Amino acid sequence: AQSVTQLGSHVSVSEGALVLLRCNYSSSVPPYLFWYVQYPNQGLQLLLKYTSAATLVKGINGFEAEFKKSETSFHLTKPSAHMSDAAEYFCAVTTTGNQFYFGTGTSLTVIP
Amino acid sequence: NAGVTQTPKFRILKIGQSMTLQCTQDMNHNYMYWYRQDPGMGLKLIYYSVGAGITDKGEVPNGYNVSRSTTEDFPLRLELAAPSQTSVYFCASSLWEAGGTDTQYFGPGTRLTVL
Repeated sequence: AQSVTQLGSHVSVSEGALVLLRCNYSSSVPPYLFWYVQYPNQGLQLLLKYTSAATLVKGINGFEAEFKKSETSFHLTKPSAHMSDAAEYFCAVTTTGNQFYFGTGTSLTVIP
Repeated sequence: NAGVTQTPKFRILKIGQSMTLQCTQDMNHNYMYWYRQDPGMGLKLIYYSVGAGITDKGEVPNGYNVSRSTTEDFPLRLELAAPSQTSVYFCASSLWEAGGTDTQYFGPGTRLTVL
């Protein structure tokens, strides 16, 4: 079975500062990894995904994530935070497409 | 494309009542999913379907039922509502093909309260 751990349920950064949201996964076979963003009272939107191609994945809104097999990590970063980045972020893993396993989420606050 | 649509957006049920949450997708996706989202708990998979006529349990299926008679529709049934089923429910769909999975696309959610 797979699982995802997101370290830090709440992260605060200043506007313009680096955003780093952590995700570690557990999987016995090569995984597919995803980052989603959820704005208040909305569904989840895909930010980016890793599907065994390039280990550095670029997504929408300036976000990127790097797949590190040796560390079983897929951390999400953005060089410069914007107020509009304030949201809930979820990391997810699947190996078959049947079941996606989501982390418990990280709430990002951007301080002006 | 409308993507994934869910109805209703909000619903209040009394304990013991039944209801069906509707989900429709127009992307011809083969896989569909139902999740519930509780505060601080992330998303938990209730049921999923890999195609019309095929469904299977996820992590938290108790108290729910599903059916998939067409590619487009994947309704979720609550037979005897309980306060523990108060949650936000999301339907999602994806295209799974040999060689990899596509993204999951989510509906806007149904906020259910059981009193």
